[in-house]
Amino acid sequence: EAGVTQFPSHSVIEKGQTVTLRCDPISGHDNLYWYRRVMGKEIKFLLHFVKESKQDESGMPNNRFLAERTGGTYSTLKVQPAELEDSGVYFCASSQGRGQVQQYFGPGTRLTVT
Amino acid sequence: QKEVEQNSGPLSVPEGAIASLNCTYSDRGSQSFFWYRQYSGKSPELIMFIYSNGDKEDGRFTAQLNKASQYVSLLIRDSQPSDSATYLCAVSRIYNQGGKLIFGQGTELSVKP
Repeated sequence: EAGVTQFPSHSVIEKGQTVTLRCDPISGHDNLYWYRRVMGKEIKFLLHFVKESKQDESGMPNNRFLAERTGGTYSTLKVQPAELEDSGVYFCASSQGRGQVQQYFGPGTRLTVT
Repeated sequence: QKEVEQNSGPLSVPEGAIASLNCTYSDRGSQSFFWYRQYSGKSPELIMFIYSNGDKEDGRFTAQLNKASQYVSLLIRDSQPSDSATYLCAVSRIYNQGGKLIFGQGTELSVKP
């Protein structure tokens, strides 16, 4: 069974540019999460999809971040325009439906905004 | 006050010893508690979760939960050099289904041969 995959693994962009991160969850997992770890800080929750619906987006830092999960499969996280403080590692995780608590994490996308 | 607090370490133990990792949380509404292991440059990997007060054992790992004290710990018996990693404590207000995880900063463990 393939794990959670994320693309790209690294991205270096300039301040003001746009970047789109992609996450492919484990097949059949209804729950998809985005998290972020900035340098020296703990991993922080961004948002949670159940299928194609946003269940909880309380962690999204501002309206420069837009997440989508069309069709309930893969998800994208767009940052537009990027700021220096957006640099960090963006993790995606997925889990099955009710009764399944284990969240499987992807390898992360390291974003550097210069 | 951080929602989930861990000693950042590094915690250094000799091979074969017991490693004890501690975590406190501030939200009394927390229902589920997790320990993740993260090797450098890799993704977090779940090693234990616990819901109820007391101990839960899985192989060399034991998770301990005390909701009254808002305290979770992870014991690793017979520590091996391959256990050297950062251990992340995470909590959730949701029981037995999907929900956001609140992470601590992690404790770096080093097991010396």
